[in-house]
Amino acid sequence: KAGVTQTPRYLIKTRGQQVTLSCSPISGHRSVSWYQQTPGQGLQFLFEYFSETQRNKGNFPGRFSGRQFSNSRSEMNVSTLELGDSALYLCASSFNREGGYTFGSGTRLTVV
Amino acid sequence: EDKVVQSPLSLVVHEGDTVTLNCSYEVTNFRSLLWYKQEKKAPTFLFMLTSSGIEKKSGRLSSILDKKELFSILNITATQTGDSAVYLCAVDPLMNRDDKIIFGKGTRLHILP
Repeated sequence: KAGVTQTPRYLIKTRGQQVTLSCSPISGHRSVSWYQQTPGQGLQFLFEYFSETQRNKGNFPGRFSGRQFSNSRSEMNVSTLELGDSALYLCASSFNREGGYTFGSGTRLTVV
Repeated sequence: EDKVVQSPLSLVVHEGDTVTLNCSYEVTNFRSLLWYKQEKKAPTFLFMLTSSGIEKKSGRLSSILDKKELFSILNITATQTGDSAVYLCAVDPLMNRDDKIIFGKGTRLHILP
């Protein structure tokens, strides 16, 4: 079965712009979570959605937001981009948080 | 504050060696501990541990959890160059609204041929 699909794979934006990243979970998975990975901070949890509802949120500013659609696909939006937002953004899906999470290949965002 | 600490941060060994990676945690609520291998981008799931003392094995990899001492180890025997990767440990707390999965910063393992 198809894995977790993230688009786009790479993105270059300038400071002040906004960006939307997409994640399509494994079919049947209702939980989608987002992470930011940087060399200095490692993997940091952004938020988790389950059945279109945000279930948890990490310690990120309000510029970071997300949503989940009825087909479980999720989008993450970052507004007013800053240089420090440059990172690999990973999305992971799970059936119900049991059995671990399956990650997508990520979106590499570079802010210049 | 909940945290997951992995050690060492990096490790270089020769092919054929055995390595042990450590993960200690301090969390308010605990449900499971997860190990992932990250080679390029997508971390791939290795193990989920929920009970103390029960070893999980997959080929040359094995892992065990100690809930009393709050740590887990990941062993890799007869290492191969393909084992070179960052190994991530994460703790998944109980499913309360404010609980969130916490990752360690990873151990970067490099296997020399």
